Parts: sequence; C-alpha cells; structure tokens
Amino acid sequence: DAKTTQPTSMDCAEGRAANLPCNHSTISGNEYVYWYRQIHSQGPQYIIHGLKNNETNEMASLIITEDRKSSTLILPHATLRDTAVYYCIVRVQEYGNKLVFGAGTILRVKS
Amino acid sequence: GAVVSQHPSWVICKSGTSVKIECRSLDFQATTMFWYRQFPKQSLMLMATSNEGSKATYEQGVEKDKFLINHASLTLSTLTVTSAHPEDSSFYICSAGEPSGSYEQYFGPGTRLTVT
Repeated sequence: DAKTTQPTSMDCAEGRAANLPCNHSTISGNEYVYWYRQIHSQGPQYIIHGLKNNETNEMASLIITEDRKSSTLILPHATLRDTAVYYCIVRVQEYGNKLVFGAGTILRVKS
Repeated sequence: GAVVSQHPSWVICKSGTSVKIECRSLDFQATTMFWYRQFPKQSLMLMATSNEGSKATYEQGVEKDKFLINHASLTLSTLTVTSAHPEDSSFYICSAGEPSGSYEQYFGPGTRLTVT
C-alpha cells in the first residue's frame, strides 16, 4: 500500500472550515483514498473515501487532485466535537485488505 | 454504518494471568477481522488479521503464542493475551470489513487493558 504524509497538527476555529491535507505521491491506479478519525480513547470512525472524483457526504468533503498525488479532507463547519486525530490511508478496495495507519493529523478545534 | 462491539471495554488483570477480549460484528458477517494495539500518544499498530475458520495472520514482530486469536464464527473474533505483563498494557481495537460494496472497515470502541 502507498504511504501517506500528513501534517502533525492543525488548529481550526469553531464554525470555520477545517482543511486537512494529505500527500500520497506513490498512489497506485487502483488505490482509494480513505479518511478515518479517532476521538480520544475511542475506536476510529470512518469518514469518507474516494478514487479520483471529489466526494461529499454528511460529514465531510474529499477533494482529490487530478494527478491523485494529494487530497484534502474538508470539514465545512468544524465544531469542538471534531477535535480528533485524522488519518489518511490509501488502500486497494477489496475485502480483507487491511488498513495501515500512519501518524495522522491532530486537529484541534478551538472556540 | 455497520456496528462492531468489543467486550470488555476495560479490564485490569494481574501479571501472569490471561485475558480474553471479544470482537463482534453486530449486523453483518465478517470472515476477516483485524486486531490493532495502540499505546498512549501513538498510532494504531496492526497486530494480526483474523480469518474465520483458519489461522490468523500475524504482523512481523507480533508473538503469535502470546496473542492468541480465534475466529470461530462469522460474527466473533477473540484475542487472548496470555501470561500478560505490564508492558502489554495498551488499548486494543478490532475492526471488521463489510463483505460487499466499498469494503469499509468498521472499528470497535476498543478495550483498555491494564496489567498490574
């Protein structure tokens, strides 16, 4: 699986959009970009994933560059409850394929 | 989304004893589940892949005789930490993947193990 690079930490004001970048320059053509987050002392929570088109769901938007070498997770209106570690993972989408977690980005939403 | 549960949510045991942690997929069947370990202020580290009806696949450096995994049914995998020591104190998390669609992984809430 391709490796990802994320900033160690970011701060965001409550109510503002949080934009979390991820570099995955060695991504393969059949690898998807997944985003998970982990709130303190809980199991990770799935957020969103995509292959090459931009994706949006009730939690977030995922913007993938045309060359697929990087992506941005957008939380449109961050709240204090969005404070968590956010993980960007690239992975082939098939059953039984494991998720390998990097260090992630610590997002602190401040009032 | 699908729900994965773990039991217990926390456990304290004495050094030298064994502890069993259960992971259940509540509303879907999972022939494959995964076990992770997380130390304070660190990321999740994959320990092993649990396969229903067959032996688990362990990641490099994980002692298979110490961390026994059993996946006896399509909804239950267990991790037994044998002869636990204080250095085994950690947060253990399991996950299971949906058998169709996007094959997303769903995670349990984790089990906090403290060995005294």
